[in-house]
Amino acid sequence: DAGITQSPRHKVTETGTPVTLRCHQTENHRYMYWYRQDPGHGLRLIHYSYGVKDTDKGEVSDGYSVSRSKTEDFLLTLESATSSQTSVYFCAISETRVNYEQYFGPGTRLTVT
Amino acid sequence: DQQVKQNSPSLSVQEGRISILNCDYTNSMFDYFLWYKKYPAEGPTFLISISSIKDKNEDGRFTVFLNKSAKHLSLHIVPSQPGDSAVYFCAASQGAQKLVFGQGTRLTINP
Repeated sequence: DAGITQSPRHKVTETGTPVTLRCHQTENHRYMYWYRQDPGHGLRLIHYSYGVKDTDKGEVSDGYSVSRSKTEDFLLTLESATSSQTSVYFCAISETRVNYEQYFGPGTRLTVT
Repeated sequence: DQQVKQNSPSLSVQEGRISILNCDYTNSMFDYFLWYKKYPAEGPTFLISISSIKDKNEDGRFTVFLNKSAKHLSLHIVPSQPGDSAVYFCAASQGAQKLVFGQGTRLTINP
């Protein structure tokens, strides 16, 4: 299994509070991704990174920001959490430009009350 | 608009029989397709993939078929086993390092 950890694994927070989720990899992969999984929507890309300090928006980026100051860490921040951001968040990593396989972390379940 | 669609939210199959999961896409520029399997409380795991230059790829009990003219992808699992019970996602890529996922199909294998 690819070495990907996510922290925290579970979090409950209140509307309006900032939240940061962390993804840490030990594979030295170049690409890192944040997805959210919601019933009926599958996995939707929030943001991704193609290198240290290089990030770009995905399909559902509104309300989220990311940072990558080291190869191994990719942070997802909800500046002011809303109930619509209650979801399961997955981090993924990828290296090859040939077959596009991505390897996923175990997920973080976030509940915004 | 959903570029990758899995129209069956769930599928139930008898153990030992064939499971067929389907996926349709709308973007003819997609050039690589993947299937992922997901168990509850775990992240998705890569299962099998296919390039758009092929129409079939096999890996043990798993075979993926690609019909480009119909923009249709299918995953065949034979024989189906209880451990195959999971949610399956298809995904597509367009020459870039990003994937677009379908909504997922929950497969249940009955003994």
